[in-house]
Amino acid sequence: DAKTTQPTSMDCAEGRAANLPCNHSTISGNEYVYWYRQIHSQGPQYIIHGLKNNETNEMASLIITEDRKSSTLILPHATLRDTAVYYCIVRPNQAGTALIFGKGTTLSVSS
Amino acid sequence: NAGVTQTPKFRILKIGQSMTLQCTQDMNHNYMYWYRQDPGMGLKLIYYSVGAGITDKGEVPNGYNVSRSTTEDFPLRLELAAPSQTSVYFCASSDSGTGTEKLFFGSGTQLSVL
Repeated sequence: DAKTTQPTSMDCAEGRAANLPCNHSTISGNEYVYWYRQIHSQGPQYIIHGLKNNETNEMASLIITEDRKSSTLILPHATLRDTAVYYCIVRPNQAGTALIFGKGTTLSVSS
Repeated sequence: NAGVTQTPKFRILKIGQSMTLQCTQDMNHNYMYWYRQDPGMGLKLIYYSVGAGITDKGEVPNGYNVSRSTTEDFPLRLELAAPSQTSVYFCASSDSGTGTEKLFFGSGTQLSVL
């Protein structure tokens, strides 16, 4: 069963921030939130992950609500190359537990 | 570094044929995975391995076999190909020493069974 809920698709104008929501209301205390993306026909690419604090790296920011039941991935200045399927995944902090992908959100960035 | 390398990139099989999808990584990662992705769908985990000599089933293991004799290689075997196995197959690896999962994926093998 899917542990996350994401919108099927979203649109964003080039240069604007893209905010991708994810609901994970049944998340457990030891589960991390991961984000990956898949550009058409390529293998998925890691973006960011977090437990309870907000995280930022060179690709994106991850905002996790205080109750940890939802999160938002933020691409601060979306470009056409950010058009992809974005996957939100929860996984326990336990080595050897595989990531399970859902259907993700298709983000379309247009000029 | 090459990262995760998959061969072949494309293959067409007849029903009942067998083949092996090759996957090798040069990052000395202990953990390796096989996923399949049907058109318009997310990735489904077939098998994974936490180290040489250790493999475990994922969500959709039926019709597939794997082995892990070395750290670098994790081949996926289809014994009796069926049309339902038409898909894109992705191999991935990770170094989960910290307990957090950052997967590196190969470029995929597109398989058609006719």
